[in-house]
Order: sequence, then structure tokens, then C-alpha cells
Amino acid sequence: GAVVSQHPSRVICKSGTSVKIECRSLDFQATTMFWYRQFPKKSLMLMATSNEGSKATYEQGVEKDKFLINHASLTLSTLTVTSAHPEDSSFYICSARDRRWTQYFGPGTRLTVL
Amino acid sequence: ELKVEQNPLFLSMQEGKNYTIYCNYSTTSDRLYWYRQDPGKSLESLFVLLSNGAVKQEGRLMASLDTKARLSTLHITAAVHDLSATYFCAVDHRDSNYQLIWGAGTKLIIKP
Repeated sequence: GAVVSQHPSRVICKSGTSVKIECRSLDFQATTMFWYRQFPKKSLMLMATSNEGSKATYEQGVEKDKFLINHASLTLSTLTVTSAHPEDSSFYICSARDRRWTQYFGPGTRLTVL
Repeated sequence: ELKVEQNPLFLSMQEGKNYTIYCNYSTTSDRLYWYRQDPGKSLESLFVLLSNGAVKQEGRLMASLDTKARLSTLHITAAVHDLSATYFCAVDHRDSNYQLIWGAGTKLIIKP
């Protein structure tokens, strides 16, 4: 099956710093990638849809200036959490969609903001 | 608006027993997915169901789809401890650009 990687898998940072998370589709090209956030014991919450070569589409209530998304190539999307605060601590999961419109999920990134 | 409901949300059962998780969705969908999530991990794809009457089996898990009833079931046969996890169903549809709409998840605990 298709493989999606995320880096880093775990990050701890101080409040006020920015953190970048990378999502890569390793064996297929993905014109569309998705960024999800998951709170403990909850389902996945879609944050934004990342489209290669264009601006991301953010879901209602997600601050686009805080969660910067860049989809620079057909295999890479990045999520930058700017000026992180403890309430941004969460599990972030990306997915990449193939030509059959099937989403493949990355292993997730655990962000802890102190 | 496409909505997905799962039940039960929590299930504790003994090894060797059978049980079923239900996934209802509100409007027509194109595909229905079942995923497994272990604590601290991402999602593992279990099944993709495309058409009415579809049934897929993998080991002790069997998923089925009834598009007329807008219902999918995930049946666990003779449960074993290793199946303890949270199970999510999700649906997508072309009208929503194939965004996944998620159920709340079912936390399954299987006691030895």
C-alpha cells in the first residue's frame, strides 16, 4: 500500500516558538493532502486541505495565520504551528490522497508545548 | 450534510466473545472506511466498502455495508486481546470533494 511519512514524530517546544511538521507521500504523487488534529479520546478533526501549488483551504474555526500550510511539491506538505502555546499541544496527523481519491495516513506527530 | 454515527462508543468484552460495532450515516456516500487506531498511534486502514452488500473479512474482523439502510457493521468473532483498539468508521462522497466524514470512534477493550 501507499506510504506516507511524517516528521518529526514527536516534538517538545517552548511557548512562543514555531514548529514545522512535514508530511511526505513516499511512493505516489499527491495533489491533495489533509491535516488533521486529534484531541485525546476524540475523533479526527480536519484542519485544512492542502493543494499543491495553491493556497490551503482551512476549516471553519482554524486560524490560517497560526497554522501555516505549504504544499510545495506533489510529495510534500508542511504544517507550521506559529507562536505555539500549550493549547496547541495535540496529535497532528496528515494524509495524502492518491489518484483514486483514497487517503493514506501518516504516523502522526505528537506536539507538546511547554 | 453528511453525518456519521457510531455505536457503541465504548465496549468492554471478554476474549472469545462475538460482538458488532455499528456505523450509520445520514446521506448517500460513495465509500465507507473502517480504521483501527492504537493508543498514541495513527490510523491503520482495515476495510474500504464500495457497494451495497459488500462484505470483507480479515482474520477475526468482518465488515459489511447496506447502502439502503445507510449502515455498516464491523463484526468481531471470537475476540482476542490484540484486537483492543479504537475503531473508526468514515464515509466520503463526491459532492463533498471526497473529504472523510468521521464517526466518533468505538473504544474496544478485550479482557483476557
